[in-house]
Amino acid sequence: EAGVTQSPTHLIKTRGQQATLRCSPISGHTSVYWYQQALGLGLQFLLWYDEGEERNRGNFPPRFSGRQFPNYSSELNVNALELEDSALYLCASSSLGGTQHFGDGTRLSIL
Amino acid sequence: AQSVTQPDIHITVSEGASLELRCNYSYGATPYLFWYVQSPGQGLQLLLKYFSGDTLVQGIKGFEAEFKRSQSSFNLRKPSVHWSDAAEYFCAVGATNYGQNFVFGPGTRLSVLP
Repeated sequence: EAGVTQSPTHLIKTRGQQATLRCSPISGHTSVYWYQQALGLGLQFLLWYDEGEERNRGNFPPRFSGRQFPNYSSELNVNALELEDSALYLCASSSLGGTQHFGDGTRLSIL
Repeated sequence: AQSVTQPDIHITVSEGASLELRCNYSYGATPYLFWYVQSPGQGLQLLLKYFSGDTLVQGIKGFEAEFKRSQSSFNLRKPSVHWSDAAEYFCAVGATNYGQNFVFGPGTRLSVLP
């Protein structure tokens, strides 16, 4: 069984640009979660999608947004990038009510 | 509000020694509790979880954890550490098994001496 896959592995952007991160869940999982793991700040919950709908959102500004496609894959978009957005972005998936399984993350670096 | 504390930022143990990583949580009801491990450059892998029932939970890789309601703790243990156990360990608490209100602790970095 293929795990959660994230792309790209690394992404380098400059301030003010926009970044798009992608996540493919485990087959059969309908929920996708996004987390930010920034140095010194730990793992912070960003977004939760299930069945194409945003179900919950963490304490992040609106320039962090995303969507879930009919095949349950998901995109995380970060607009107007700031230096402090540099972090490892982790995606997890689960069946509704199931345990979260994580991908290896996308390392976003802002220059 | 839910919160998780892991008092030890960094722990170093010798290979073959026993290990205990501490986790304390704050939650109004019986929480769902998890331990995840993160190796360098990788995502998180679930070690074990507790929902209800037996308070001693067995996980993968020889890890176990004990839920103590009176102490609001969910400490992770392993009787004999292997060099491959060196990683970052995260305790997490949730109102359910999934997305809503899922909170992670700050993590404990484990180093293993040969």
